[in-house]
Amino acid sequence: GAGVSQSPSNKVTEKGKDVELRCDPISGHTALYWYRQSLGQGLEFLIYFQGNSAPDKSGLPSDRFSAERTGGSVSTLTIQRTQQEDSAVYLCASSFNRGGQETQYFGPGTRLLVL
Amino acid sequence: AQSVTQLDSHVSVSEGTPVLLRCNYSSSYSPSLFWYVQHPNKGLQLLLKYTSAATLVKGINGFEAEFKKSETSFHLTKPSAHMSDAAEYFCVVSFSGTYKYIFGTGTRLKVLA
Repeated sequence: GAGVSQSPSNKVTEKGKDVELRCDPISGHTALYWYRQSLGQGLEFLIYFQGNSAPDKSGLPSDRFSAERTGGSVSTLTIQRTQQEDSAVYLCASSFNRGGQETQYFGPGTRLLVL
Repeated sequence: AQSVTQLDSHVSVSEGTPVLLRCNYSSSYSPSLFWYVQHPNKGLQLLLKYTSAATLVKGINGFEAEFKKSETSFHLTKPSAHMSDAAEYFCVVSFSGTYKYIFGTGTRLKVLA
């Protein structure tokens, strides 16, 4: 596709349920990133993929959060047993390669609300 | 430690007047610097980036930024604000050999008619 796409755009769930958020990066981009944007917290790095490997998972806030990437393309972020503090916008980005000079291209985000 | 500071959380300007959004970074290394804009309920869009070429960088929608190493600054400017510029702006720093973006806390720009 022309840009990074994410689905769903909005998700409302009940506390304790599991959710899956999907990211389709730009075709040919080897690097993929997940961020969380919470009110008053700014943008928080969650995890980085190079190909299908995740060399850096340091930003995942707890073991309820996991992510995978298959075929060097689509990535899924899973949150188990959701809590109200998980409510946020989850942003995915991709870049052609890793590296500080690479531009990251962002998707529109998934807005998650945990009731 | 590397960090980025956006000095103003909110900026209000009148339509047609200049815009200045301030950003300072802290780093021991040569940085790459980016400005992104986020309109309400949208993702982040790249405005411009600096990667050690020309210190004055021109971006989209009439925005530009100047890298000043001596001041460790990368302020974003636009000569004349338009109503459509109302959004949140993020300054980002990154470094050669890493992949991590370090985000500023954002500046919300309000444009008054």
